[in-house]
Parts: sequence; C-alpha cells; structure tokens
Amino acid sequence: EADIYQTPRYLVIGTGKKITLECSQTMGHDKMYWYQQDPGMELHLIHYSYGVNSTEKGDLSSESTVSRIRTEHFPLTLESARPSHTSQYLCASSPRGGQGGNEQFFGPGTRLTVL
Amino acid sequence: SQKIEQNSEALNIQEGKTATLTCNYTNYSPAYLQWYRQDPGRGPVFLLLIRENEKEKRKERLKVTFDTTLKQSLFHITASQPADSATYLCAPTGGGNKLTFGTGTQLKVEL
Repeated sequence: EADIYQTPRYLVIGTGKKITLECSQTMGHDKMYWYQQDPGMELHLIHYSYGVNSTEKGDLSSESTVSRIRTEHFPLTLESARPSHTSQYLCASSPRGGQGGNEQFFGPGTRLTVL
Repeated sequence: SQKIEQNSEALNIQEGKTATLTCNYTNYSPAYLQWYRQDPGRGPVFLLLIRENEKEKRKERLKVTFDTTLKQSLFHITASQPADSATYLCAPTGGGNKLTFGTGTQLKVEL
C-alpha cells in the first residue's frame, strides 16, 4: 500500500467557500501531481510539481492553486468553490529519475461536492 | 493532438477465462506504456510498465504487449477471477514526467 494520504476523503461545502485539499506522502518522492476525475471519466492532470518551490499547471485548466513548500506536502486550494468544481480530486507522487518510467502512487482521493 | 483509445464498453468474461484489453494511441510515439487498475471511488494502482524496446512483459497472471508499429498495447489477465473486476487504465508516455491516461476499460469477471 502506497504511503500517500489525502484529507478529507469527502467534503460537502457551499458555494463561495474557500477550501484546501491536503495531500501528503512519506516516500520522499520529488514529483507530485493533482488529477481531477468525474465519475466514469478519464483522469485529467491539473497541477504538478517536480520539487520544493516548483509548481506547474497541468493539461486541464483549473481555478485551483497549489503550493509545494515541503517535499512531503502538496495542498490544493480553491479560493471560492462553485458547483462546477464538484468532482473527485486525486493526488499522486513518483520518485526522482527515470524519465517517464516511474510509476505513480495515488492517494485515495477527495470527493468534493459544492452545493 | 495526442489521443488514447481504450474499449469504452465494459468487458464481461467468465471466471477462468483470459481477459484481453486494448490500448491504442495516435499522434505520438511513447517510450513507455504503463497500466493501472482503478477500483470505484479509489485512486489508480500501478500494475506494469513496458518500454518501447520490449515486446512483452509478464507479472504473475498479467501480460502486456507493446507494438509500436500498430501503436497498440494489449493487456491480458489469464485465469481471471471476480476479484480482477475493475477499470484498467493505460498511460502511454513519451518520456517526460507527466502521464496522460486513457478513459479506461471496465472489466467484469462473472462466476
């Protein structure tokens, strides 16, 4: 079992609220990722980081922001949640090295519902 | 643009049979291809990685092939069991650090 954690697992919140989804890993991985996935649909990369103080936007545009102040921690923040943000958010990490050949370890996900 | 295609319809097979899932890609040349398993409401779990210079890779009951001419990977589960029921995702990658996943194929193994 991968040592990558996400909290909360489920979150129901009203429109306009600020939320932070937490993601932590204890494997010392340099690379971390956030994906968004709607039920029955494909995973879309929304943010990634190759190390501390490194963050990049992914392939799918997102109104969320991320930070990487510590290697093990990669939180995602929505300043003002909207119903269109309702989705499952998955965090993943992979070790340094091996261009493209490194497996990604996924957390259990956060199911976000914005009313 | 890059495109990854997996069987969109669920694959139903009987226990004990071999399941074969297909992953086709267009408009790029991946150096690696990864396969993941995803159960409902959970994050994907890595299964196998195959490199472009490898034709076939095996791990227990799993076998993956990679045909760079056909731009296709086949994922086989032999002696399938109900516990193998899940969605299987392929992720061809060109060598960078990002992965692009296919939509996945849902496998249902019936008794």
